[in-house]
Amino acid sequence: AQSVTQLDSHVSVSEGTPVLLRCNYSSSYSPSLFWYVQHPNKGLQLLLKYTSAATLVKGINGFEAEFKKSETSFHLTKPSAHMSDAAEYFCVVRGGLLSGGYQKVTFGTGTKLQVIP
Amino acid sequence: DGGITQSPKYLFRKEGQNVTLSCEQNLNHDAMYWYRQDPGQGLRLIYYSQIVNDFQKGDIAEGYSVSREKKESFPLTVTSAQKNPTAFYLCASSPAGVLGDTQYFGPGTRLTVL
Repeated sequence: AQSVTQLDSHVSVSEGTPVLLRCNYSSSYSPSLFWYVQHPNKGLQLLLKYTSAATLVKGINGFEAEFKKSETSFHLTKPSAHMSDAAEYFCVVRGGLLSGGYQKVTFGTGTKLQVIP
Repeated sequence: DGGITQSPKYLFRKEGQNVTLSCEQNLNHDAMYWYRQDPGQGLRLIYYSQIVNDFQKGDIAEGYSVSREKKESFPLTVTSAQKNPTAFYLCASSPAGVLGDTQYFGPGTRLTVL
């Protein structure tokens, strides 16, 4: 079984201050982990992914995430928030096998990031 | 440009009607997926297909049907048996369904049942 918990449904930061979006996961396998961003009424865009290489993963738009196996966490950070970062962010875990070799994908419930001018 | 297209962007349906949502990709991906998104919930998998002429039920397949006659196309039909079809529907594709392959998403279709 696998699961993803995004610890905050809403996060509010001031423009120019750091962003921290928290994600904890549970998986019986060595999972792949992803962060996606979704702007209103749009599809999901990949920010970054971890697949058992370096534990600190750099993504687009200045975001990065650190895989901590001991804490089963994959928190997303950015040093300085920009107004355009306001969106919903999803943490995703991929691992385990279903029929036919398909690896199950589990989405977190999302964190809405508000950036205050 | 390579990518995934979904049409229409907005769709309105009367109760009791079937409706088909289109998803096309030109990324040459083998695997395709349909997800449903409701406010405050993560995406939930409806159906997935790893190869042409084959597809599998996801977590919430009841009231939905799909076909995969071509590699680039994976249409979803929302039938009248789906009790609460109003939602945002997202199609995705990936090179394959295993080993950490990244899923790429289309822009979505918002379905409203009147």
